[in-house]
Amino acid sequence: GEDVEQSLFLSVREGDSSVINCTYTDSSSTYLYWYKQEPGAGLQLLTYIFSNMDMKQDQRLTVLLNKKDKHLSLRIADTQTGDSAIYFCAESINTDKLIFGTGTRLQVFP
Amino acid sequence: EPEVTQTPSHQVTQMGQEVILRCVPISNHLYFYWYRQILGQKVEFLVSFYNNEISEKSEIFDDQFSVERPDGSNFTLKIRSTKLEDSAMYFCASSDQVASAFFGQGTRLTVV
Repeated sequence: GEDVEQSLFLSVREGDSSVINCTYTDSSSTYLYWYKQEPGAGLQLLTYIFSNMDMKQDQRLTVLLNKKDKHLSLRIADTQTGDSAIYFCAESINTDKLIFGTGTRLQVFP
Repeated sequence: EPEVTQTPSHQVTQMGQEVILRCVPISNHLYFYWYRQILGQKVEFLVSFYNNEISEKSEIFDDQFSVERPDGSNFTLKIRSTKLEDSAMYFCASSDQVASAFFGQGTRLTVV
């Protein structure tokens, strides 16, 4: 069945890089996504990657996809306190519905 | 920047009552969705809607749930007879293509 897993917490110092990891089970994923949720807010689409790509970079964000290992990561360079939030990995498989991971709470300390 | 808006932000209702959660998707979007997140759990897909009909629904979306696009701008989720376990954050989303769904800020539903 479809399952997406993430570690629950990540704590980093301001200015360091953060790497948030995600694994998924269904190899027929079409797109993989990263969403950010700040306290009391909705889900903000950060970036997505098509399943035939292995890397996508967008300013401070780098997404790496390892299809063989079914592993997706989000690297945030020069992490700021404003990056503190919950980050959700999600996949879609031949349809438009999203299957979300548990979310990783990123805490950035000075 | 265009955004998906949801009202109300918080709804408290008694068990057995009907609730309607409202959403205004981004204006040129064609695909509409409802998701929910029970406290401490994953965000779960409920239903997708395209071309004025349901395109896909999950097992959660049983006969107690319905969706409607009554006037070309609003997209509503109705729960006919609420149960305690319906308490959750409900997110509406819309997209103009299969990828890149944009989410609203959510409606927190509390059933007492």
